[in-house]
Amino acid sequence: AQSVTQLDSQVPVFEEAPVELRCNYSSSVSVYLFWYVQYPNQGLQLLLKYLSGSTLVKGINGFEAEFNKSQTSFHLRKPSVHISDTAEYFCAAQGGSEKLVFGKGTKLTVNP
Amino acid sequence: DTGVSQNPRHKITKRGQNVTFRCDPISEHNRLYWYRQTLGQGPEFLTYFQNEAQLEKSRLLSDRFSAERPKGSFSTLEIQRTEQGDSAMYLCASSFRWGTEAFFGQGTRLTVV
Repeated sequence: AQSVTQLDSQVPVFEEAPVELRCNYSSSVSVYLFWYVQYPNQGLQLLLKYLSGSTLVKGINGFEAEFNKSQTSFHLRKPSVHISDTAEYFCAAQGGSEKLVFGKGTKLTVNP
Repeated sequence: DTGVSQNPRHKITKRGQNVTFRCDPISEHNRLYWYRQTLGQGPEFLTYFQNEAQLEKSRLLSDRFSAERPKGSFSTLEIQRTEQGDSAMYLCASSFRWGTEAFFGQGTRLTVV
């Protein structure tokens, strides 16, 4: 069975500061990894995904993530955040079946 | 392409009533998923269709829940004899194939009173 752990439930940062949202996964099979963003009362939007190949993945809105197989991590980073990045971020894994297994989410709050 | 559409957006129902939600996926996507999201949690998988075939169901999907996807197009999720614990956001997603992006609808928020 797979599981996804997001280590921080809330992350407050100031505008233009860098941010890292942490995600660890466990799986007995190879997995695909995803980061989604959810704005209030909205569905989820894909930020980026890792399927194979380069371990550094670039996504939309200036986000990137690095797949680390030895540490079973897939942390999301952005070098300089904006107020508009305030949202909830979900890490998800897919492997062995079609379903996505999500973490509990990290609420990112960007303060002026 | 209008994306994944879910109706209604909000539903308030009394405990014990039946409710039905509809999801219209992106037209060329043959895979359709239902997830449930409660406050402070990530989405939890409920069930998955490939075309009209329901290929996987979560143990979360009790016998009060049923999902259909006739003709492999839109899907419905019905909850019978609703309970307060069913209050949640129900999300539908569709994708073209495994490993590709799953596009999510805006969800149906169910409140059972």
